[in-house]
Amino acid sequence: SAVISQKPSRDICQRGTSLTIQCQVDSQVTMMFWYRQQPGQSLTLIATANQGSEATYESGFVIDKFPISRPNLTFSTLTVSNMSPEDSSIYLCSVDETEAFFGQGTRLTVV
Amino acid sequence: AQSVSQHNHHVILSEAASLELGCNYSYGGTVNLFWYVQYPGQHLQLLLKYFSGDPLVKGIKGFEAEFIKSKFSFNLRKPSVQWSDTAEYFCAVIPTGFQKLVFGTGTRLLVSP
Repeated sequence: SAVISQKPSRDICQRGTSLTIQCQVDSQVTMMFWYRQQPGQSLTLIATANQGSEATYESGFVIDKFPISRPNLTFSTLTVSNMSPEDSSIYLCSVDETEAFFGQGTRLTVV
Repeated sequence: AQSVSQHNHHVILSEAASLELGCNYSYGGTVNLFWYVQYPGQHLQLLLKYFSGDPLVKGIKGFEAEFIKSKFSFNLRKPSVQWSDTAEYFCAVIPTGFQKLVFGTGTRLLVSP
């Protein structure tokens, strides 16, 4: 199994600012995933992050809005840029080793 | 559009009642199926999964799920719920050729003591 730590666990941010969410895994993993869970909705995959290459974004998500870093096999960051209230959501980091393991999520509120 | 559907958004049960949460998917071909649970304030964690073999899958905490291919369903069951089963339950699918989970909208279960 994999243990995933996400920071921060929650934040309240002003519109127009950016927030970087960190995800640390206790073992080396090839692929890391970033999800968004908007209020009352399901988890939606934002992008897949592989070490040493650019992240692959899902339809509706772009690198300028959600830049991702993957500097090594145990760490990734997701930045939510130029935030608006519509970005208020829970953001989750995940790794997949025959089953998906999730971080505890970052609850973001944009005011 | 291809999707995963959980028709019950909120379920309220008394302790010892039986539980069945529906999950249907619209992908053709081979799929891998999962149920995840999120207890209040905790991580998403895996309850059970189906890749192949016996379509009746047993998971942790007394949960089980049955894959019915003809119905594109993977319903979650528990014969007798406990107050500690209060949580949100998510069905998820990895369709053939994909490398990502597609989640249903979740079902929030409240078990009253």
